[in-house]
Amino acid sequence: DADVTQTPRNRITKTGKRIMLECSQTKGHDRMYWYRQDPGLGLRLIYYSFDVKDINKGEISDGYSVSRQAQAKFSLSLESAIPNQTALYFCATSELSGGPDNEQFFGPGTRLTVL
Amino acid sequence: SQQGEEDPQALSIQEGENATMNCSYKTSINNLQWYRQNSGRGLVHLILIRSNEREKHSGRLRVTLDTSKKSSSLLITASRAADTASYFCATRMDSSYKLIFGSGTRLLVRP
Repeated sequence: DADVTQTPRNRITKTGKRIMLECSQTKGHDRMYWYRQDPGLGLRLIYYSFDVKDINKGEISDGYSVSRQAQAKFSLSLESAIPNQTALYFCATSELSGGPDNEQFFGPGTRLTVL
Repeated sequence: SQQGEEDPQALSIQEGENATMNCSYKTSINNLQWYRQNSGRGLVHLILIRSNEREKHSGRLRVTLDTSKKSSSLLITASRAADTASYFCATRMDSSYKLIFGSGTRLLVRP
């Protein structure tokens, strides 16, 4: 969905490097999420944000940090990348109104490889 | 931990046949959603069923929910090669805005 964009789309880095993945959305949604996907597994939630001043840890936040710079931007950082953080990373958004029935809209993903 | 588990993990059918995928979950839910993922791409929302609903239709999709068995099924009728993708169920638990995804079913529709 072009309304949710992620940069970079692919990244290869080395152990110990700091990496930032960026997500931007033009949907005007308040809620934003970061997930990782490993082969054979579903998506696991890393962090989520319900507005600019709200940041929450998900299932697997260790080794990651996030920044919600604006309503439209939500960045994920790996402070010191390690090989088991090699995965496909997805950003998603959802509306605030409508409550828990809201669907999530996903970006195209960032494939990260940590050597 | 995974809340939803799909079954089967992989499914191969001929174009025109129906495809049925199942999802089981562990705790009470507010709603259950199905998403499709084409290879290496983002997920796309297909259909949502609330905990007080038993069946829902959307085009060639039919979803059922059995809260007593903590399970859901997704039926795709008259499948097409373009339906080839991975399908994930995702559950939203009571009073939570987070989605918990299952591990997915990989569907291959042979032309």
